[in-house]
Amino acid sequence: GENVEQHPSTLSVQEGDSAVIKCTYSDSASNYFPWYKQELGKRPQLIIDIRSNVGEKKDQRIAVTLNKTAKHFSLHITETQPEDSAVYFCAASSNDMRFGAGTRLTVKP
Amino acid sequence: KAGVTQTPRYLIKTRGQQVTLSCSPISGHRSVSWYQQTPGQGLQFLFEYFSETQRNKGNFPGRFSGRQFSNSRSEMNVSTLELGDSALYLCASWDRAYEQYFGPGTRLTVT
Repeated sequence: GENVEQHPSTLSVQEGDSAVIKCTYSDSASNYFPWYKQELGKRPQLIIDIRSNVGEKKDQRIAVTLNKTAKHFSLHITETQPEDSAVYFCAASSNDMRFGAGTRLTVKP
Repeated sequence: KAGVTQTPRYLIKTRGQQVTLSCSPISGHRSVSWYQQTPGQGLQFLFEYFSETQRNKGNFPGRFSGRQFSNSRSEMNVSTLELGDSALYLCASWDRAYEQYFGPGTRLTVT
């Protein structure tokens, strides 16, 4: 089955800086790659996703890139704000959805 | 549209008991997945249902089971509870676009 690895496990940045979270996957059949943000005590919320026929997607301060050859994809957050502090999960989907272990992002004001 | 709902939100059980959790998907969504979330293991895939059929199953023992009804509502059952089953159980629903939307979860505590 699919195996997703996510790095780093924790990330601390200064407000206004950029944050990058990287994931790798094992199943070359995976074709859908979402990112979720989970604030403390809340449900995971879909923030952006990318499909295998696209290399990059951007939504305001958030962007995701996908390299199918290398089987890795990344989340980029620019101009970080304290409210971006949360745990971020990547996932890859072929037959089912498998999640990375999560990255705890802290944005210091 | 109303979001994914799960009941109950909190549950306390003792070892050896069984528990049933319920999930109502977003209207029109026919697929439901279940996940176990623990601090040490992250989000672990339990199973996925589509049109009352289990399509995929994660690496969990047979004590974990589920089903889906004709209205797409889903239940999962855990029998012979163990302390290690304490976790947040999340369900997610989606349509053909594969964008999964999570419910608030059921926090199960086994004592």
